[in-house]
Amino acid sequence: TQLLEQSPQFLSIQEGENLTVYCNSSSVFSSLQWYRQEPGEGPVLLVTVVTGGEVKKLKRLTFQFGDARKDSSLHITAAQPGDTGLYLCADGRNRDDKIIFGKGTRLHILP
Amino acid sequence: KAGVTQTPRYLIKTRGQQVTLSCSPISGHRSVSWYQQTPGQGLQFLFEYFSETQRNKGNFPGRFSGRQFSNSRSEMNVSTLELGDSALYLCASSLTPWGGVGYTFGSGTRLTVV
Repeated sequence: TQLLEQSPQFLSIQEGENLTVYCNSSSVFSSLQWYRQEPGEGPVLLVTVVTGGEVKKLKRLTFQFGDARKDSSLHITAAQPGDTGLYLCADGRNRDDKIIFGKGTRLHILP
Repeated sequence: KAGVTQTPRYLIKTRGQQVTLSCSPISGHRSVSWYQQTPGQGLQFLFEYFSETQRNKGNFPGRFSGRQFSNSRSEMNVSTLELGDSALYLCASSLTPWGGVGYTFGSGTRLTVV
């Protein structure tokens, strides 16, 4: 069974600081997805990456997919209170033919 | 374009009762998946329906069941509720059967079993 491990579990930083969160898989990703979930809402898809070594940018967010397609990082520059939420990584389709999620990194940005 | 709609948003039920949750996917999406989210376990896959057929099922007891209608709307049912069934139940829709390009989630139904 594929396991997705996200670190850190919790992160609380001041507004304006930079941060990086990580997602590691016990096996190769089919496709890697990152989601953000705000309290009381469902997760919202941020990005999907497929190719090893791929880097995608979404405003202040930079997503990097490892060359071996078993790990990924999400870097946020100049964090803002609106970035607060639970960040989840997921394998778009694992060998069991379903999307599985990591347990997430809970991020809190202090104003 | 309307998003994924889940009803009701909140439910309080008593142990032993049953509950039905509803999900209307984005128009044109024929795949609907259900997940249970708890603080300890994260998002756990329940099942996926595509064109009224269950394509995949997670490791949940038979008390959890679902179905999909011809208009792609889906319902899930939990019978004989237990305290441990308290969770946020999320529905997600996608164009492709396995959501390979990503899911669109609803806001969820918060179920509390007392």
